[in-house]
Amino acid sequence: QVQLVESGGGVVQPEKSLRLSCAASGFTFSTFAMHWVRQAPGKGLEWVAVISFDGNEEYYGDSVKGRFTISRDNSKNKLYLQMKSLRAEDTAVYFCARDGRWSADYWGQGTLVTVSS
Amino acid sequence: IVLTQSPGTLALSPGERATLSCRTSQSDNSNYFAWYQQKPGQAPRLLIFGASSRATGIPDRFSGSGSGTDFTLTIDRLEPEDFAVYYCQQYGRSAITFGQGTRLEI
Repeated sequence: QVQLVESGGGVVQPEKSLRLSCAASGFTFSTFAMHWVRQAPGKGLEWVAVISFDGNEEYYGDSVKGRFTISRDNSKNKLYLQMKSLRAEDTAVYFCARDGRWSADYWGQGTLVTVSS
Repeated sequence: IVLTQSPGTLALSPGERATLSCRTSQSDNSNYFAWYQQKPGQAPRLLIFGASSRATGIPDRFSGSGSGTDFTLTIDRLEPEDFAVYYCQQYGRSAITFGQGTRLEI
């Protein structure tokens, strides 16, 4: 069965960096685009970034463009999100999700990132 | 693209029918429209893709309809486990946009 497990969250100071990981299993990872989506405490869903199946294309939400980088290692079945210059408003649960038919068809349980001094 | 969901909160009883709406600021192919359910402390779950196709394992009491800029999620015969937050989603050429959510409460 499809499984996505995020890791790497924690408490980080403003302006610092953090890298999230997402371990994928149960499907052929190298054939699917992948997304990061976040959810601030008590708020709705915000799309963060997407990467193509081969890593050749990346797109970002306006609020993270220039600060976050999505990447993947198909040999390890892993997705990453490198976050730099973190701000308090980046505090959220970060989910990785598999790209389905113009939707996100499977989601991990999320990892919490708290940006605070 | 901006997605506006209504109502913000919908209070119904088990056994009733729920009708949730989502309006997009730009008309697009309905293939790019989806609905999700999220329960407290859980990840979102895909319910409907392509505006009207149910995802794997989704009961047939959930149905989606609409095209252009107006889309609807209908839940027939509400079960206790259906009370949750529902999000609509539009998949653009280089971004995904979510609505702000509708809370379905007992």
